[in-house]
Amino acid sequence: DADVTQTPRNRITKTGKRIMLECSQTKGHDRMYWYRQDPGLGLRLIYYSFDVKDINKGEISDGYSVSRQAQAKFSLSLESAIPNQTALYFCATSVGGLRNQPQHFGDGTRLSIL
Amino acid sequence: GQQVMQIPQYQHVQEGEDFTTYCNSSTTLSNIQWYKQRPGGHPVFLIQLVKSGEVKKQKRLTFQFGEAKKNSSLHITATQTTDVGTYFCAPTSGGSYIPTFGRGTSLIVHP
Repeated sequence: DADVTQTPRNRITKTGKRIMLECSQTKGHDRMYWYRQDPGLGLRLIYYSFDVKDINKGEISDGYSVSRQAQAKFSLSLESAIPNQTALYFCATSVGGLRNQPQHFGDGTRLSIL
Repeated sequence: GQQVMQIPQYQHVQEGEDFTTYCNSSTTLSNIQWYKQRPGGHPVFLIQLVKSGEVKKQKRLTFQFGEAKKNSSLHITATQTTDVGTYFCAPTSGGSYIPTFGRGTSLIVHP
Protein backbone atom coordinates (compact mmCIF):
# COMPACT_ATOMS: atom_id res chain seq x y z
CA ASP A 1 0.00 0.00 0.00
CA ALA A 2 1.34 3.42 -0.88
CA ASP A 3 -0.18 4.52 2.44
CA VAL A 4 2.51 2.55 4.28
CA THR A 5 5.95 3.86 3.37
CA GLN A 6 9.22 2.23 4.28
CA THR A 7 12.63 3.86 4.00
CA PRO A 8 15.14 3.01 2.78
CA ARG A 9 14.03 0.47 0.19
CA ASN A 10 17.46 -1.07 0.01
CA ARG A 11 20.46 -0.89 2.33
CA ILE A 12 23.86 -2.52 2.30
CA THR A 13 25.97 -2.09 5.40
CA LYS A 14 28.76 -3.68 7.38
CA THR A 15 28.75 -5.88 10.46
CA GLY A 16 28.65 -3.89 13.67
CA LYS A 17 26.93 -0.82 12.24
CA ARG A 18 23.79 0.64 13.77
CA ILE A 19 20.89 0.73 11.33
CA MET A 20 17.46 2.28 11.51
CA LEU A 21 14.57 1.37 9.26
CA GLU A 22 11.68 3.79 9.12
CA CYS A 23 7.99 3.19 8.58
CA SER A 24 5.33 5.84 8.24
CA GLN A 25 1.64 5.50 7.47
CA THR A 26 -1.18 7.78 6.42
CA LYS A 27 -3.93 5.23 7.04
CA GLY A 28 -4.65 6.45 10.57
CA HIS A 29 -4.21 2.92 11.93
CA ASP A 30 -3.43 2.39 15.59
CA ARG A 31 -1.50 -0.87 15.23
CA MET A 32 1.88 -1.23 13.60
CA TYR A 33 4.14 -4.24 13.11
CA TRP A 34 7.64 -5.14 11.97
CA TYR A 35 8.24 -8.46 10.22
CA ARG A 36 11.25 -10.15 8.79
CA GLN A 37 11.02 -12.42 5.72
CA ASP A 38 13.60 -15.04 4.85
CA PRO A 39 13.24 -17.49 1.94
CA GLY A 40 11.18 -20.50 2.96
CA LEU A 41 10.47 -19.15 6.44
CA GLY A 42 7.50 -16.94 5.78
CA LEU A 43 6.98 -13.78 7.82
CA ARG A 44 8.21 -13.66 11.39
CA LEU A 45 7.09 -10.97 13.79
CA ILE A 46 9.83 -8.86 15.38
CA TYR A 47 7.89 -6.22 17.33
CA TYR A 48 4.43 -4.74 17.37
CA SER A 49 2.73 -1.70 18.82
CA PHE A 50 -0.96 -1.09 19.48
CA ASP A 51 -0.53 2.63 20.14
CA VAL A 52 2.13 5.26 20.84
CA LYS A 53 2.87 4.07 24.38
CA ASP A 54 2.71 0.38 23.63
CA ILE A 55 5.68 -1.79 22.54
CA ASN A 56 5.57 -5.58 22.46
CA LYS A 57 8.12 -8.22 21.54
CA GLY A 58 7.34 -10.65 18.81
CA GLU A 59 8.74 -14.03 17.94
CA ILE A 60 12.26 -12.86 17.09
CA SER A 61 13.00 -9.60 18.92
CA ASP A 62 16.60 -10.35 20.00
CA GLY A 63 19.05 -7.96 18.33
CA TYR A 64 16.32 -5.46 17.45
CA SER A 65 14.64 -2.51 19.10
CA VAL A 66 11.76 -0.26 18.07
CA SER A 67 10.40 3.19 18.69
CA ARG A 68 6.84 4.40 18.20
CA GLN A 69 7.36 8.14 18.01
CA ALA A 70 3.85 8.95 16.90
CA GLN A 71 0.77 7.12 15.72
CA ALA A 72 2.01 7.36 12.16
CA LYS A 73 5.63 6.30 12.69
CA PHE A 74 7.26 3.07 13.83
CA SER A 75 11.01 2.63 13.45
CA LEU A 76 13.11 -0.52 13.75
CA SER A 77 16.74 -0.41 14.88
CA LEU A 78 19.53 -2.91 14.66
CA GLU A 79 21.99 -1.76 17.31
CA SER A 80 24.93 -3.77 16.01
CA ALA A 81 24.10 -5.48 12.74
CA ILE A 82 25.25 -9.02 12.05
CA PRO A 83 25.17 -10.96 8.75
CA ASN A 84 22.30 -13.28 9.78
CA GLN A 85 20.08 -10.20 10.00
CA THR A 86 20.29 -9.96 6.24
CA ALA A 87 16.66 -10.25 5.16
CA LEU A 88 13.64 -8.49 3.70
CA TYR A 89 11.89 -6.38 6.35
CA PHE A 90 8.23 -5.41 6.19
CA CYS A 91 6.26 -2.89 8.17
CA ALA A 92 2.51 -3.40 8.44
CA THR A 93 -0.45 -1.59 9.96
CA SER A 94 -3.96 -2.50 11.01
CA VAL A 95 -6.92 -0.83 12.63
CA GLY A 96 -7.56 -1.37 16.33
CA GLY A 97 -10.53 -3.16 17.82
CA LEU A 98 -11.53 -6.30 19.61
CA ARG A 99 -10.71 -8.77 16.87
CA ASN A 100 -7.97 -9.57 14.44
CA GLN A 101 -7.93 -7.11 11.55
CA PRO A 102 -6.35 -7.26 8.07
CA GLN A 103 -2.80 -6.04 7.89
CA HIS A 104 -1.58 -3.56 5.28
CA PHE A 105 2.05 -3.92 4.30
CA GLY A 106 4.66 -1.51 3.04
CA ASP A 107 6.85 -2.34 0.06
CA GLY A 108 9.66 -3.67 2.24
CA THR A 109 13.30 -2.85 2.96
CA ARG A 110 15.91 -5.21 1.60
CA LEU A 111 18.80 -5.21 4.05
CA SER A 112 22.18 -6.78 3.38
CA ILE A 113 24.84 -6.96 6.07
CA LEU A 114 28.33 -7.80 4.96
CA GLY B 1 3.38 -20.81 20.70
CA GLN B 2 0.91 -21.52 18.00
CA GLN B 3 2.23 -23.82 15.31
CA VAL B 4 0.84 -23.79 11.81
CA MET B 5 1.95 -25.93 8.90
CA GLN B 6 1.28 -24.87 5.35
CA ILE B 7 1.58 -27.39 2.51
CA PRO B 8 2.87 -27.79 -0.08
CA GLN B 9 5.86 -25.45 -0.02
CA TYR B 10 5.89 -25.22 -3.81
CA GLN B 11 3.42 -26.16 -6.51
CA HIS B 12 4.00 -26.14 -10.26
CA VAL B 13 0.89 -26.27 -12.44
CA GLN B 14 0.06 -25.85 -16.08
CA GLU B 15 -2.15 -22.88 -16.82
CA GLY B 16 -5.74 -24.02 -16.53
CA GLU B 17 -5.12 -26.62 -13.84
CA ASP B 18 -6.48 -26.27 -10.34
CA PHE B 19 -4.40 -25.52 -7.25
CA THR B 20 -4.93 -26.03 -3.53
CA THR B 21 -2.88 -25.01 -0.51
CA TYR B 22 -3.58 -26.23 3.01
CA CYS B 23 -2.99 -24.70 6.41
CA ASN B 24 -3.05 -27.05 9.39
CA SER B 25 -2.85 -26.26 13.09
CA SER B 26 -2.44 -28.40 16.18
CA THR B 27 -4.65 -26.02 18.15
CA THR B 28 -8.14 -24.63 17.63
CA LEU B 29 -8.03 -21.34 15.78
CA SER B 30 -10.05 -18.21 16.42
CA ASN B 31 -9.90 -17.06 12.84
CA ILE B 32 -7.63 -17.24 9.83
CA GLN B 33 -6.51 -14.74 7.24
CA TRP B 34 -5.07 -15.43 3.80
CA TYR B 35 -2.56 -13.22 1.99
CA LYS B 36 -0.97 -13.25 -1.47
CA GLN B 37 2.52 -12.00 -2.23
CA ARG B 38 3.48 -11.51 -5.86
CA PRO B 39 7.16 -11.99 -6.75
CA GLY B 40 9.05 -8.87 -5.65
CA GLY B 41 5.97 -7.52 -3.91
CA HIS B 42 4.49 -7.31 -0.46
CA PRO B 43 1.77 -9.47 1.12
CA VAL B 44 -1.74 -8.38 0.28
CA PHE B 45 -4.76 -9.37 2.36
CA LEU B 46 -7.23 -11.62 0.56
CA ILE B 47 -9.82 -12.74 3.10
CA GLN B 48 -10.61 -13.61 6.70
CA LEU B 49 -12.55 -16.67 7.88
CA VAL B 50 -14.11 -16.74 11.32
CA LYS B 51 -16.85 -19.35 11.55
CA SER B 52 -16.54 -23.12 11.74
CA GLY B 53 -17.11 -24.66 8.31
CA GLU B 54 -17.13 -21.26 6.62
CA VAL B 55 -16.70 -21.15 2.85
CA LYS B 56 -16.04 -17.92 0.95
CA LYS B 57 -15.47 -17.37 -2.73
CA GLN B 58 -13.68 -14.65 -4.66
CA LYS B 59 -14.07 -15.33 -8.38
CA ARG B 60 -11.89 -18.42 -8.99
CA LEU B 61 -10.64 -18.58 -5.39
CA THR B 62 -12.47 -20.64 -2.74
CA PHE B 63 -11.51 -20.40 0.91
CA GLN B 64 -12.62 -22.93 3.52
CA PHE B 65 -12.36 -23.09 7.29
CA GLY B 66 -12.58 -26.57 8.79
CA GLU B 67 -15.42 -27.68 11.00
CA ALA B 68 -13.04 -28.09 13.94
CA LYS B 69 -11.36 -24.76 13.15
CA LYS B 70 -7.97 -26.43 13.00
CA ASN B 71 -7.39 -26.25 9.27
CA SER B 72 -8.12 -24.14 6.24
CA SER B 73 -7.63 -24.33 2.51
CA LEU B 74 -7.40 -22.07 -0.49
CA HIS B 75 -8.44 -23.54 -3.84
CA ILE B 76 -7.90 -21.83 -7.19
CA THR B 77 -9.88 -23.11 -10.15
CA ALA B 78 -8.35 -22.95 -13.63
CA THR B 79 -5.15 -21.14 -12.70
CA GLN B 80 -3.90 -18.22 -14.73
CA THR B 81 -0.43 -16.71 -14.94
CA THR B 82 -1.69 -13.82 -12.84
CA ASP B 83 -2.13 -16.26 -9.94
CA VAL B 84 1.64 -16.67 -9.62
CA GLY B 85 2.91 -15.80 -6.15
CA THR B 86 3.18 -17.05 -2.62
CA TYR B 87 0.03 -17.63 -0.61
CA PHE B 88 0.22 -17.33 3.17
CA CYS B 89 -2.24 -18.35 5.80
CA ALA B 90 -2.17 -16.31 9.00
CA PRO B 91 -4.28 -17.71 11.83
CA THR B 92 -4.86 -16.45 15.33
CA SER B 93 -5.80 -18.51 18.36
CA GLY B 94 -6.86 -17.91 21.94
CA GLY B 95 -7.31 -14.27 22.75
CA SER B 96 -4.47 -13.09 20.53
CA TYR B 97 -4.94 -10.29 18.01
CA ILE B 98 -1.64 -11.16 16.32
CA PRO B 99 -1.67 -13.70 13.49
CA THR B 100 1.11 -16.24 13.01
CA PHE B 101 2.06 -16.51 9.37
CA GLY B 102 2.59 -19.89 7.78
CA ARG B 103 5.68 -20.42 5.64
CA GLY B 104 3.63 -20.02 2.49
CA THR B 105 2.97 -21.98 -0.67
CA SER B 106 4.65 -20.69 -3.81
CA LEU B 107 2.52 -21.21 -6.91
CA ILE B 108 4.27 -21.37 -10.27
CA VAL B 109 1.98 -21.39 -13.32
CA HIS B 110 3.42 -22.57 -16.61
CA PRO B 111 1.76 -21.12 -19.72
